[in-house]
Amino acid sequence: EVQLVESGGGLVQPGGSLRLSCVASEFTFSGSWMAWIRQSPDKGLEWVANISPDGSAKSYPDSVKGRFTVSRDNAKNSLFLQVSGLRAEDSGVYYCVRDGGLKWGQGTLVSVSS
Amino acid sequence: DVVMTQSPLSLPVTLGKPASISCRSSHSLVYSDGNTYLVWLQQRPGQSPRRLIYQVSNRDSGVPDRFSGSGSGTDFTLKISRVEAEDLGVYYCMQFTHWPHTFGQGTKLEIE
Repeated sequence: EVQLVESGGGLVQPGGSLRLSCVASEFTFSGSWMAWIRQSPDKGLEWVANISPDGSAKSYPDSVKGRFTVSRDNAKNSLFLQVSGLRAEDSGVYYCVRDGGLKWGQGTLVSVSS
Repeated sequence: DVVMTQSPLSLPVTLGKPASISCRSSHSLVYSDGNTYLVWLQQRPGQSPRRLIYQVSNRDSGVPDRFSGSGSGTDFTLKISRVEAEDLGVYYCMQFTHWPHTFGQGTKLEIE
């Protein structure tokens, strides 16, 4: 069964940083577009990063551009999201997602608070 | 950004009866390759979202045939022919024709 398992979330102070990770299994990770999507009660679902199969193309919405960096290691079937300059509005559950929403992980919770 | 507007936001339903959710986009979702990248997601309580429909009307593997999607351009609909208890939850439309990809606000399907 296709699996996406996220980790790395936690409680962090405003201005802090985290590195989120996602390990994929049971599909051809190196051939898949991948994304990070977050969900919060206030803002609903928001797509925060996109990365092409070979990692050469990356996209971010204006709300996180310059603060978030997506990357991948195809040899290790892993996706990453480096988040910095965190704000309260960045709080939420962060999902690792495959190929246009085809499969979602269980999510990792990021809480930004002093 | 493309704004996705769902209606209704709350949908009381009777088990065994049909249900319909509308999703309208502020821009046409037809991509330059001719495809329309509009999907429908289901999120049951306490679970991650699950994709039901892709490219407007194609059901994903394992999705019951009581779910159907239709529409074109800026106007889309998700229909459930006969609601079952396992269908309760929140439904989202999502577009990835334009960047940034965007979501509707969600429609909560609940027992009447």
